[in-house]
Amino acid sequence: AQKVTQAQTEISVVEKEDVTLDCVYETRDTTYYLFWYKQPPSGELVFLIRRNSFDEQNEISGRYSWNFQKSTSSFNFTITASQVVDSAVYFCALSEQGGSYIPTFGRGTSLIVHP
Amino acid sequence: SQTIHQWPATLVQPVGSPLSLECTVEGTSNPNLYWYRQAAGRGLQLLFYSVGIGQISSEVPQNLSASRPQDRQFILSSKKLLLSDSGFYLCAWSVGSYGYTFGSGTRLTVV
Repeated sequence: AQKVTQAQTEISVVEKEDVTLDCVYETRDTTYYLFWYKQPPSGELVFLIRRNSFDEQNEISGRYSWNFQKSTSSFNFTITASQVVDSAVYFCALSEQGGSYIPTFGRGTSLIVHP
Repeated sequence: SQTIHQWPATLVQPVGSPLSLECTVEGTSNPNLYWYRQAAGRGLQLLFYSVGIGQISSEVPQNLSASRPQDRQFILSSKKLLLSDSGFYLCAWSVGSYGYTFGSGTRLTVV
């Protein structure tokens, strides 16, 4: 069974719009970590955030915010006032204590921000 | 500071030729090391991971192999490349659960 689901394959928005990228995960571990990575056209994956399973506080970093809800097994990522530079593929990932913390990635969501 | 080096950046190889991609990490000791492949479909496929020198775990059976001759060196190899080996190969490292740092990747085209 897929452990990390990013149901949105591609999202297209116009600059300055807000956009939310969904991530739903599945795990039986009580100790796990969730991540978001950004992959710009250059290809390198850039770490955005790490969240452990015991910390459900939402986080805001500039125009980026993350909503972690254990009740719905979701870890959604919102970009406020999107910019063209936000265009990239975004990956959500899960690592579990029972899985030796080997990460499982979702299939990614391609975000296209039009000027 | 920790850095990860991966080379070459791009590679075009004929079918049947050998392959060697190298990844080295600086600024950390005893990291977990990973090789991922990203095909045109965009998903990241874990190929190999290593928790220590000489310890390699394979996730997907195929004609690729990996080796870890030194603590901070991870090599991806093939004796004979197939067309299906084309893709974007990423090396990564981690310590415990503290996130994963990726190299800049190698774009391999098998012709």
